[in-house]
Amino acid sequence: QVQLQESGPGLVKPSETLSLTCSVSGGSTSPYYWSWIRQTPGMGLEWIGNVYYSGRTKYNPSLRSRITISVDTSKNQFSLQMSSVTAADTAVYYCARESGYCGDGSCPIDYWGQGTLVTVSS
Amino acid sequence: DIQMTQSPSSLSASVGDRVTITCRASQGISNHLAWFQQKPGKAPKSLISAAFTLQSGVPSKFSGSGSGTDFTLTISSLQPEDFATYYCQQYNSFPPTFGGGTKVEI
Repeated sequence: QVQLQESGPGLVKPSETLSLTCSVSGGSTSPYYWSWIRQTPGMGLEWIGNVYYSGRTKYNPSLRSRITISVDTSKNQFSLQMSSVTAADTAVYYCARESGYCGDGSCPIDYWGQGTLVTVSS
Repeated sequence: DIQMTQSPSSLSASVGDRVTITCRASQGISNHLAWFQQKPGKAPKSLISAAFTLQSGVPSKFSGSGSGTDFTLTISSLQPEDFATYYCQQYNSFPPTFGGGTKVEI
């Protein structure tokens, strides 16, 4: 059974960089897409971006200028970096695996991490 | 971006009820639609992809239908563990987008 676990600081100061890692167990990072999604009470669920096991990335245009997603297949991990954060970036961040019959947007999610709350505050 | 509109935003139902949730896309998305279940304080759980294909381990009381712009999720006989919030997501067009959720309450 594939399991995903997010890790990283729960508190980030405004204007700094948010960094999260997702560790994958019970399966390999290849040949899948790996994504980051966040959830806030106000905005609901928002797809941030994904990375293919080869390293190819897709980013939500609304966040593209501030995010970097990367994969480390040797460690079975992938990561999210979001720069210049503000209070609006306070959210529960989920990592997820995409697998199956894909559309142009992305592929359907089959596994989710448990989520991690990141608060942006000084 | 494609807007996904779910209705109703909440509903009250009883154990044993048949429940139907609707998701409408602002433009055609073929059958590239997924459904998720989320319980309070927990991560979403994947139920259905490609509009009607159950994810592994999901009980057959859940079913999905639709294509194009209009989709439904049906729970055939509501059980206590099914009280949750349900979300749809389109992955046909970039970026993928989610509906606002339907809360199923007792």
